[in-house]
Amino acid sequence: DGGITQSPKYLFRKEGQNVTLSCEQNLNHDAMYWYRQDPGQGLRLIYYSQIVNDFQKGDIAEGYSVSREKKESFPLTVTSAQKNPTAFYLCASSIDGTSFNEQFFGPGTRLTVL
Amino acid sequence: AQSVAQPEDQVNVAEGNPLTVKCTYSVSGNPYLFWYVQYPNRGLQFLLKYITGDNLVKGSYGFEAEFNKSQTSFHLKKPSALVSDSALYFCAVRRAGNNRKLIWGLGTSLAVNP
Repeated sequence: DGGITQSPKYLFRKEGQNVTLSCEQNLNHDAMYWYRQDPGQGLRLIYYSQIVNDFQKGDIAEGYSVSREKKESFPLTVTSAQKNPTAFYLCASSIDGTSFNEQFFGPGTRLTVL
Repeated sequence: AQSVAQPEDQVNVAEGNPLTVKCTYSVSGNPYLFWYVQYPNRGLQFLLKYITGDNLVKGSYGFEAEFNKSQTSFHLKKPSALVSDSALYFCAVRRAGNNRKLIWGLGTSLAVNP
């Protein structure tokens, strides 16, 4: 899992609540990513950031928000607008946004909505 | 449409036998191809990538992959499987165009039987 940490490992949320997932990296990477993983659906990109103070929507950004105020941190907020938030969430980083560089992944956060 | 396919949901192989996990792609321009492995409830780990050059790419843990442009394939191989290779394997390809993010396959579950 390299130098990327995600917390918490397990998270439970009641319907209607916002929740923030933490992602921190000490690899000095410029680019960071958030993915959602559901059984049988592979990885789907939520948001990505190629540099501090900049981020772009991925394929399934609705109901999610991010910030990138520091190079090492890329928190993801799952809002109450996300209709089906129960999933495994993975944060990743790469040296830069150039897509021939591999991504390094954190250990993931499993979010369950009760 | 740009895509990547992993035609087998599951591959079973006996320990000590060679293994192959298949990946085919469809993307405009020159592809950048990646293989990742995921152990249960963990993040993904990078195995290897093809950017340019030699069609046979060697990676971590004894894995290798062969880029075949005419067949648009990038199959993952290992000469002798270990029980510890049992995991979920993902193929990914660069998406051409301004949004140069990865397109992910749905994953292949590899089971190596002792």
